[in-house]
Order: sequence, then structure tokens, then C-alpha cells
Amino acid sequence: RKEVEQDPGPFNVPEGATVAFNCTYSNSASQSFFWYRQDCRKEPKLLMSVYSSGNEDGRFTAQLNRASQYISLLIRDSKLSDSATYLCVALSGGYNKLIFGAGTRLAVHP
Amino acid sequence: DVKVTQSSRYLVKRTGEKVFLECVQDMDHENMFWYRQDPGLGLRLIYFSYDVKMKEKGDIPEGYSVSREKKERFSLILESASTNQTSMYLCASSKRTGLRPEAFFGQGTRLTVV
Repeated sequence: RKEVEQDPGPFNVPEGATVAFNCTYSNSASQSFFWYRQDCRKEPKLLMSVYSSGNEDGRFTAQLNRASQYISLLIRDSKLSDSATYLCVALSGGYNKLIFGAGTRLAVHP
Repeated sequence: DVKVTQSSRYLVKRTGEKVFLECVQDMDHENMFWYRQDPGLGLRLIYFSYDVKMKEKGDIPEGYSVSREKKERFSLILESASTNQTSMYLCASSKRTGLRPEAFFGQGTRLTVV
């Protein structure tokens, strides 16, 4: 079983829609989680960290559910520019090894 | 401006060649990573280094080795390149400590083995 799993999508949504992605992790000892964004033919970049109490950054909300071992990303009022692949990341081990999920592709259309 | 630099954007090599991919970071990060990215499979960790001369195998180390002689440089070596190693290779670095260390990536090396 992969340590971090995501639905690969694609999620095709119209502009203005609300879309949510989930990601599950298998290592219950993982303490920190992130969402990264990767545009086509570009390197991944940090979108936001995920805090235990949930956190919001503009139209983006991240949640962590430790009991069920999943994290989520909610995007409200989708824009064309949100089209990208969203990667779920968990820190693993004492040296902060980064484990990436396979990514969820989002396509926002007019 | 933080930077992770990979030596080549595109590389074409022949089957059986020994291939070196170089990565340099200027952020004094302890951790450095090599991933490969293939369609539908996401980023898979090949090797991870948490200090000079220290390394740990990732999920797919077979056919690869690494070298970290200096803190800022992490090299990935394909001992004998094969066509199934055709892929996008991404290097990243991050701090080893802290609750939420951000990882910074190089621009990637697209390797084709013919």
C-alpha cells in the first residue's frame, strides 16, 4: 500500500464551482502535511501547509482528520488559473522525509 | 531568491551508459531528494539524503545510486541506463528540522534513454 494515496482525477469543473480533494495516509506517526501545486511542465510548489485545526488561505481550505488518516483541500469559486495538479505530501520519519501522493489533476473550464 | 539548480533540462543517453544528474542548492538545507515523475504515478522517491555522506533508499532505488560529498550538492547516478529509466527527474531540498519544512524543487531533467 502506498504511504500517501490520492484520487488521480481528472476533476473537470466549471468556473465558480467548489471542488474538494481527499488524500489518505497510512503512517499514523506522520505529523505534518502539505498541499503542493504543480502546473504543466513545471516543478511542484508549496500551496499550503495543513494544520490540525484546519486552515484557510483565501479560497483554499485545508483540513486534517487524524482519526481517519486523511487530509482534504477545498477550493471555492474555482478560477481557470486553478487548473493544475495538486499533490498531497506527508512528512515521514525523524529526518523529515517528504512523501508525495501521485497527485490529483484539476481542470477548470469556462 | 532561493534556488535549486539541476545541471540539465534535457538529456538523451544511450542504453548502458553511466549517467550523472547533478543538483545544487543554495539554501544550506540538510535534506536533499531525488524523485522521478511519470504520468499517472506521481513523484516517486528514489533516494533521500539527510546530511553529507548520509543517504536512505526511497521507494524505487534499483538501478540508481547517489553521492553527497558536499552539503549543497546531491548527485544521482544511473549505473547502466536502461529505456525504462526514461523519465522526468526532480531534485528537491528542505530543512531537516522544524514542523513544516517547505521543499524547493529544481526545474527537472527530462531524461530519454535510447
